[in-house]
Amino acid sequence: SAVISQKPSRDICQRGTSLTIQCQVDSQVTMMFWYRQQPGQSLTLIATANQGSEATYESGFVIDKFPISRPNLTFSTLTVSNMSPEDSSIYLCSVEPGMETQYFGPGTRLLVL
Amino acid sequence: AQKITQTQPGMFVQEKEAVTLDCTYDTSDPSYGLFWYKQPSSGEMIFLIYQGSYDQQNATEGRYSLNFQKARKSANLVISASQLGDSAMYFCAMRRYTGGGNKLTFGTGTQLKVEL
Repeated sequence: SAVISQKPSRDICQRGTSLTIQCQVDSQVTMMFWYRQQPGQSLTLIATANQGSEATYESGFVIDKFPISRPNLTFSTLTVSNMSPEDSSIYLCSVEPGMETQYFGPGTRLLVL
Repeated sequence: AQKITQTQPGMFVQEKEAVTLDCTYDTSDPSYGLFWYKQPSSGEMIFLIYQGSYDQQNATEGRYSLNFQKARKSANLVISASQLGDSAMYFCAMRRYTGGGNKLTFGTGTQLKVEL
């Protein structure tokens, strides 16, 4: 298994500002993933972050809005830029230490006013 | 395209009883994996069980078992001896292993409530 931590666990932000979410894993992993869960909804993949290359974004998500960094094999950040109330969600990072497992961090609850 | 369908938005079960949460999927890939996650009100996603498309036997993990019927494209989660702590949202998800991409595609979830 993998132990994943996220910071912050929750935040309340003003519209127009940006928030950077950190994801730390206790072991080296090739791929890290960022998901969004809007209120009452299921999880949607934002992007896949590989170390040493640019993140791959899913349809409907763009780098200008959700820039991602992956400086090493245990760490990644997701920034939610120029926030609006529609960005209020839980943001979760996940890792895939093996093909049969994908573990999630505890999530970051974001409320944008 | 892949699709996961969970038709039960909410389920109730009495403590100590067994409950089945339904999940059907649609894919043309020959190789794929099916996952179940539990999400309590705290928001974390807890991995419960995995079934590979080529696995001959149904997966089991403690009180969780997966009723995998490949021809019917269903992967139902069975929770035996329900406990109050099992009350949570449960998500079924699928991962493809061909054509690139590691993402999980999630269903809409089933809210389970365990009652005394």
